Amino acid sequence: DARVTQTPRHKVTEMGQEVTMRCQPILGHNTVFWYRQTMMQGLELLAYFRNRAPLDDSGMPKDRFSAEMPDATLATLKIQPSEPRDSAVYFCASGRTGGADTQYFGPGTRLTVL
Amino acid sequence: GESVGLHLPTLSVQEGDNSIINCAYSNSASDYFIWYKQESGKGPQFIIDIRSNMDKRQGQRVTVLLNKTVKHLSLQIAATQPGDSAVYFCAEKGWSDSWGKLQFGAGTQVVVTP
Repeated sequence: DARVTQTPRHKVTEMGQEVTMRCQPILGHNTVFWYRQTMMQGLELLAYFRNRAPLDDSGMPKDRFSAEMPDATLATLKIQPSEPRDSAVYFCASGRTGGADTQYFGPGTRLTVL
Repeated sequence: GESVGLHLPTLSVQEGDNSIINCAYSNSASDYFIWYKQESGKGPQFIIDIRSNMDKRQGQRVTVLLNKTVKHLSLQIAATQPGDSAVYFCAEKGWSDSWGKLQFGAGTQVVVTP
């Protein structure tokens, strides 16, 4: 049963600290998405990659957020420095071009910045 | 103090009844639509999708209806069960958007009562 995995599942940190979230897309999927979900804004697209290349990161605060795909099996989302307003659940999703535009979501990382 | 956030519409359904969840979309150029289910503490889970060249598609206990004339999408769940309690999101993709780039709705909370 292929699934998107995310680590850590929960992260509590203090304001100003660096946070790195990791995602392993489903094997064979070539597109990876990062989303943020909050009660205020709902589900927001932060960035996405195709074949490891960033396609769109317009939803991401540029000054403190960065997203990368070091290889086809790992995507990272980094926040430095973190702020309390970054507290949210961050989801990674993956999909494969050539078929339906379906994305499969991971379980999320719940981030709390104190 | 009182928390402020998205006020999700709520649908209360008695166990065994059929549920109908509605979604209005705004982009007449959207050509692909998906329904996701999100249980508490989990990531959105794919339920069913439909392309704009169809007006109905059926899955296991679920049916999606698409009315392009009034830009309306609905998800019908037959014989609703307690495990169907979740937030349901519709998502759409414009024909000119990059593969997989979805616009998500705010969601509908479904509560199944015994």
